[in-house]
Order: sequence, then C-alpha cells, then structure tokens
Amino acid sequence: KNQVEQSPQSLIILEGKNCTLQCNYTVSPFSNLRWYKQDTGRGPVSLTIMTFSENTKSNGRYTATLDADTKQSSLHITASQLSDSASYICVVTLFSGGYNKLIFGAGTRLAVHP
Amino acid sequence: GAGVSQSPSNKVTEKGKDVELRCDPISGHTALYWYRQRLGQGLEFLIYFQGNSAPDKSGLPSDRFSAERTGESVSTLTIQRTQQEDSAVYLCASSLEHLGNTIYFGEGSWLTVV
Repeated sequence: KNQVEQSPQSLIILEGKNCTLQCNYTVSPFSNLRWYKQDTGRGPVSLTIMTFSENTKSNGRYTATLDADTKQSSLHITASQLSDSASYICVVTLFSGGYNKLIFGAGTRLAVHP
Repeated sequence: GAGVSQSPSNKVTEKGKDVELRCDPISGHTALYWYRQRLGQGLEFLIYFQGNSAPDKSGLPSDRFSAERTGESVSTLTIQRTQQEDSAVYLCASSLEHLGNTIYFGEGSWLTVV
C-alpha cells in the first residue's frame, strides 16, 4: 500500500534551535518527494522537490535529504524562527495509470517558542 | 493571475443544500488538483485533471461530489445535498504538466455545513 508516514506528529522547540522532521514512505513507483509548509488557515507552500537521484536540497534555512534506498527523507530547519511555526507536510509523487498521484503524509506540527 | 485563486473563501450552508466551489489555476497550468482537509487532519485527494485527459476521480468520497474543468482553465467542485461531515477546507492546486514541477496551492475554500 502506498503510504507516507511522518514523525514526530508534533514538536515544540525554542527559537534559534535546530530541528529535524522525518518522513518514511512506501510509495512505488516513486517519482519525487516534496516538502510543504502549511501555516494555520493557509494553503500549503512548496519548500523543496527532490527526485530519486538527489540526496539533498536546500531552500534557505530548510534542508531536505532523501535516501531512496531506505525510502526516508528528512527536513532540517536551522536557527528556527517564530515564523517557522506551521505544519510541515511530506508528499511523495508516483506516476501510475497515466496519472500523477500525490501521496500526502499527515504532517508534523511545529511550534517555535520564544 | 499570480497564484491559484479560489472562491468563495468561506461558505456556510445548511445541511441538504448544494454548494459550488471555484478554482482559477495559474495561467498555463495544465494539471489541476482538488483536495479536502478536515480540521487538524491531512490532505485527502479528491480529483485530478490533466489537460484533455480523462480526470482521475478516484478520490471522490461519494456520488454527491463532482467536479468539472473547462479546458485548461477554471474548475468547479460541486457538493450536492451537503452533510455536516462535508465541513472542511477544500484546496485547489495547479502545476505545469511536467511531473517534477512545483504544485501551487490556493488558500482554500472553508466550508461549514450547519
């Protein structure tokens, strides 16, 4: 079954600290993996996209890694800011039956406290 | 337009009424997606349009849900005989045809069925 699992479910950190969010997937055939940030009450916003041949991709203070062999990805946030408080969603794309299918994880809720 | 536009942004309707939600994708985007997100939950896939191909309707939860798209432009999601469990935010997203392109989300239409 195609699934995307994220951990932890929620996380609280202090401003300025680093954190790492995890994503494990069982999606096959795998096309790419995306990380999104979703602020409360807003639509998701893309952070990174990685294909199976990419091991790491950065977007400012956000760095995503991908291990296609173990089917794991992580999102590392450096020097967290209060504005990083949001849900972070891991999304894996598979191409099946002529369609792109996006498999969403349930997200990790991050709260950054001063 | 500059981004994916959805309307209405908020809708309160009585149980049993029909509602229509509209999505204007980014100009030139051939792929369009509809998702549902209940409060505090992850995104649920509803339907996917890709150019002139037959849409992937595999995520529609019941025959009360339907969606149309006119060419490569506006899409309308219709929910007939609304139920309280339909209360959610309905998110529309669009992207260029290529598999690896960024998928841009709208801000969503918040539906409350009372």
